[in-house]
Amino acid sequence: AQKVTQAQTEISVVEKEDVTLDCVYETRDTTYYLFWYKQPPSGELVFLIRRNSFDEQNEISGRYSWNFQKSTSSFNFTITASQVVDSAVYFCAHHTGTASKLTFGTGTRLQVTL
Amino acid sequence: EAQVTQNPRYLITVTGKKLTVTCSQNMNHEYMSWYRQDPGLGLRQIYYSMNVEVTDKGDVPEGYKVSRKEKRNFPLILESPSPNQTSLYFCASSLLGGGSGANVLTFGAGSRLTVL
Repeated sequence: AQKVTQAQTEISVVEKEDVTLDCVYETRDTTYYLFWYKQPPSGELVFLIRRNSFDEQNEISGRYSWNFQKSTSSFNFTITASQVVDSAVYFCAHHTGTASKLTFGTGTRLQVTL
Repeated sequence: EAQVTQNPRYLITVTGKKLTVTCSQNMNHEYMSWYRQDPGLGLRQIYYSMNVEVTDKGDVPEGYKVSRKEKRNFPLILESPSPNQTSLYFCASSLLGGGSGANVLTFGAGSRLTVL
């Protein structure tokens, strides 16, 4: 069965610090997708990125970057120069096409203070 | 506007009183799913549906029912709610297949349910 582990329950940083959120997954599938979602204090869930298992290229989008490494089954998320608006709970998730199921990690709460 | 709409957003009820949380999407998505979110447990899937009249259990289906009579609607039914079903519920939908938007869930705003 798929499993997603986000070992960091809560992280607190000061604005402008860089922060990395860890995500480790377990799967027996060769084809799968990995996702990150953001849940700000307002409660909605916002899609950030999708990566398929055949694409190990790192991705950068503004202050956000993602490091996908199949060798370590990790899909880590880095925020550069964090801002107060980045404060949220971040969820990593794994999707396998065979089960059509998205499995979420337990989330990492990021608190960015001034 | 493309969206998933769920109602009610907030509900307080009592043990045993049947309730339905509605979910509707306007994106013609095949896939719909219900999740519950509890502190320390993340989001856990309750039920999902691949298309009309096709539903299947997720990880925590006990105490819940769903139906998919129309593509756009996927209601969640609690026949006899109990306090352990107090939670934040999310409905979500997505396209299926291999396209660029496939499997990217669009979530509703959430429904906070309290069972006394």
